[in-house]
Amino acid sequence: DAMVIQNPRYQVTQFGKPVTLSCSQTLNHNVMYWYQQKSSQAPKLLFHYYDKDFNNEADTPDNFQSRRPNTSFCFLDIRSPGLGDAAMYLCATSRGDSGISQETQYFGPGTRLLVL
Amino acid sequence: SQQGEEDPQALSIQEGENATMNCSYKTSINNLQWYRQNSGRGLVHLILIRSNEREKHSGRLRVTLDTSKKSSSLLITASRAADTASYFCATDNTGKLIFGQGTTLQVKP
Repeated sequence: DAMVIQNPRYQVTQFGKPVTLSCSQTLNHNVMYWYQQKSSQAPKLLFHYYDKDFNNEADTPDNFQSRRPNTSFCFLDIRSPGLGDAAMYLCATSRGDSGISQETQYFGPGTRLLVL
Repeated sequence: SQQGEEDPQALSIQEGENATMNCSYKTSINNLQWYRQNSGRGLVHLILIRSNEREKHSGRLRVTLDTSKKSSSLLITASRAADTASYFCATDNTGKLIFGQGTTLQVKP
């Protein structure tokens, strides 16, 4: 039944140690998004892929990178995590038939990242 | 700058009561969406209302949109303890969603 899957659900890393979060989808959607959500705050869009086209938000730090090797999978790489990067990371998808987002987004359960 | 601002930030009611949450935004939009988030979980889409629509219903949910006032409201009728969650509005005006800060709803049994 799971449509957007995120692994792991909890990730602990050390300050400065690269970490990768993964997302997969069974919906065959064109668009995949990565959001960062800090405690009691709104989700903030980091970047999205429309098919293979990567779109970075202007204020997303260079420390954050993403890869989408195929339709189903998308990865978030944090090259040198800092204490301020501790957050919930949410992956979402949308069909993308009518532009990027004039439609519902489907979210995964999120990965909570802890930086020690 | 934040597109969606929600009011109230927190709401506590008894089971069976209605809950109303408001969202205001600053620029023109294509549509406005409401999402629900249980603690520590992902977001679940509730309802989408387009800029040319004024009201929409889905089960116990009623959403209104007033583009002249740049505001929307989400009404949950006959609330249940299981409705306890955070509720976010999100606006779409450039093909991307911008989320408000959310309203935390607690429904006491």
